[in-house]
Amino acid sequence: AQSVSQHNHHVILSEAASLELGCNYSYGGTVNLFWYVQYPGQHLQLLLKYFSGDPLVKGIKGFEAEFIKSKFSFNLRKPSVQWSDTAEYFCAVNAYGNNRLAFGKGNQVVVIP
Amino acid sequence: KAGVTQTPRYLIKTRGQQVTLSCSPISGHRSVSWYQQTPGQGLQFLFEYFSETQRNKGNFPGRFSGRQFSNSRSEMNVSTLELGDSALYLCASSWSGGAANTGELFFGEGSRLTVL
Repeated sequence: AQSVSQHNHHVILSEAASLELGCNYSYGGTVNLFWYVQYPGQHLQLLLKYFSGDPLVKGIKGFEAEFIKSKFSFNLRKPSVQWSDTAEYFCAVNAYGNNRLAFGKGNQVVVIP
Repeated sequence: KAGVTQTPRYLIKTRGQQVTLSCSPISGHRSVSWYQQTPGQGLQFLFEYFSETQRNKGNFPGRFSGRQFSNSRSEMNVSTLELGDSALYLCASSWSGGAANTGELFFGEGSRLTVL
C-alpha cells in the first residue's frame, strides 16, 4: 500500500516569502501525484497533478511542484505567497489506474500579512 | 456543472446510534469514494464504489458500510456509533475510465458528524 509523508506540519510565514512543502511517498510502481488545498471553511480542491511527462508541473494560483522519481518526492513550491494562501495543503498519491488516494497528514500554512 | 453534494452537512448523534450520509456525484461521474478526516489521523480512505459495486475498501471495521445506486448516488452508513467516529466524512467523485483513469478526485464539502 502507498504511504505519504509530509513534514513541518505547521508553517508560518510572511507575505512575499517563498514556500516549499515537502512530500515523499512510498510505492514502487507507476503513480499519479496530487496536491490538494483546503482553504478555511471550504472543500478540498485540486491544486495540481502529475501523471506523466514534464516532471515540473504548474498549478493554479502560481503553485508548482516537481516530481523527482529517484527521491520519491513531489515537493510543492510558490515563489511569493499571499495572505490568501493560508490553508491546509495535502499531498496525495495513487497507483496508476486506481482511484484510491493515500494522503499525507497535511501542512497547515499561515501567511501573515 | 454542479459539484459533489453531500447531505446532511452537520449532524449530532449519541453513542450506539447509527447514521446515514448521502452523496450525489458530479453528473457523469461513475466512481464515488468516501474518506474520513480527523485531526489526528488525517484523511483516510473508507471505500470506493463504481457501477453499484464496491471496488476498493480501506481498513475500517464492518460498522462502516456503503452502497451506490444506479444513478451513481451513494450513501454510507455507520452503525453502533462510537465517540471516535466523530469526524468530517468526505465524498469524492471521479470519472473512471479504466486504464486511462487518472484518479483525480472531486470532493464535496463533507458531512461533519459529532458523536456524544
